[in-house]
Amino acid sequence: AQSVTQLDSQVPVFEEAPVELRCNYSSSVSVYLFWYVQYPNQGLQLLLKYLSGSTLVKGINGFEAEFNKSQTSFHLRKPSVHISDTAEYFCAVSDADSWGKLQFGAGTQVVVTP
Amino acid sequence: ETGVTQTPRHLVMGMTNKKSLKCEQHLGHNAMYWYKQSAKKPLELMFVYNFKEQTENNSVPSRFSPECPNSSHLFLHLHTLQPEDSALYLCASSQADRALHFGNGTRLTVT
Repeated sequence: AQSVTQLDSQVPVFEEAPVELRCNYSSSVSVYLFWYVQYPNQGLQLLLKYLSGSTLVKGINGFEAEFNKSQTSFHLRKPSVHISDTAEYFCAVSDADSWGKLQFGAGTQVVVTP
Repeated sequence: ETGVTQTPRHLVMGMTNKKSLKCEQHLGHNAMYWYKQSAKKPLELMFVYNFKEQTENNSVPSRFSPECPNSSHLFLHLHTLQPEDSALYLCASSQADRALHFGNGTRLTVT
């Protein structure tokens, strides 16, 4: 079974600064990778996904992530954050032959301050 | 506006009560899921339904009973819960792109 490690439980960042959230997964088989964001009192919203093709994936709200197969990583980046990016971010992975069984990381809380 | 709607948003129930959580998806997806989100823990997959058939029960206690009458509706029936069952229960649906689309969840408190 897959496991997902989000290396930082909390990331403080100043407004307009860049941010990178790290995610590593365990398996070397074909995988699908996702990043979700959760705002307070809401469900999870899909930011971006990697299924195949280009390893650089662009998502909503200016976020992007890069799939690195050799390092089994899928780090999320944004060049300039806003106060509204304060939220919890979850990395998730599923085996390509395992329908819908996403394994989630523990989450990274991003706190953006002026 | 989410394509997955969950009701109620909040629920407080005693340990001897019976209640149900409802989920409806308007996305035309064929798969639906229940996840449990507890504080300081990763999301836990509870149940998966594909085309109304249960395909995954992730060792969930029998006090949680899912029901999927059609591809658009999913219920979670609750009875004789424990305080440790207090959590945010999230419903999701998916289709060919494998991405899960989540509702806003039901915040359950067991007293």
